[in-house]
Amino acid sequence: GQNIDQPTEMTATEGAIVQINCTYQTSGFNGLFWYQQHAGEAPTFLSYNVLDGLEEKGRFSSFLSRSKGYSYLLLKELQMKDSASYLCAVRDSNYQLIWGAGTKLIIKP
Amino acid sequence: IAGITQAPTSQILAAGRRMTLRCTQDMRHNAMYWYRQDLGLGLRLIHYSNTAGTTGKGEVPDGYSVSRANTDDFPLTLASAVPSQTSVYFCASSDSTGAADTQYFGPGTRLTVL
Repeated sequence: GQNIDQPTEMTATEGAIVQINCTYQTSGFNGLFWYQQHAGEAPTFLSYNVLDGLEEKGRFSSFLSRSKGYSYLLLKELQMKDSASYLCAVRDSNYQLIWGAGTKLIIKP
Repeated sequence: IAGITQAPTSQILAAGRRMTLRCTQDMRHNAMYWYRQDLGLGLRLIHYSNTAGTTGKGEVPDGYSVSRANTDDFPLTLASAVPSQTSVYFCASSDSTGAADTQYFGPGTRLTVL
């Protein structure tokens, strides 16, 4: 079966750095997405990785290792507004998105 | 530009009733999707449409139907609602269905079936 694993919840301090991990086992791989979802709102796109390595976009970076079936989202200089759930999704061989359950990130002052 | 709109925002429905969730996008995207989101589970695809006039079944299609008569609208119908269909429903769209195509989500409909 297809599986995406993320930690259920993480806590971090304002101004710090946090790394949210995602491991996947899917039938084929055509890229990995990270989305942010604030409570009661729609998911919004953060990043897309299809090749191994690090993609940096401002305070957010996303890393991919296809051989390990592993990705992480790195958030720097955390702000209170970063409190949200972070969803990892993999596009499989049928070009469908397979979603993880999401990681709820709690930022403390 | 509104992006994607969904209606209603929330609804309480008696079991056995028929219900249509509406979804409209103004981005002229070819592909549209319906997901449900339940606590502790990832988004699960119900139905999708790669282009107007075509639809396909996702991971959890039972009890739901869709139509795609034009590019902009993609309604989801529950023919006879059951309590297990209580969920938050998200409509999404993407320009096409390529590997890198980003899906954009509507605000969601919170449905409670009693």
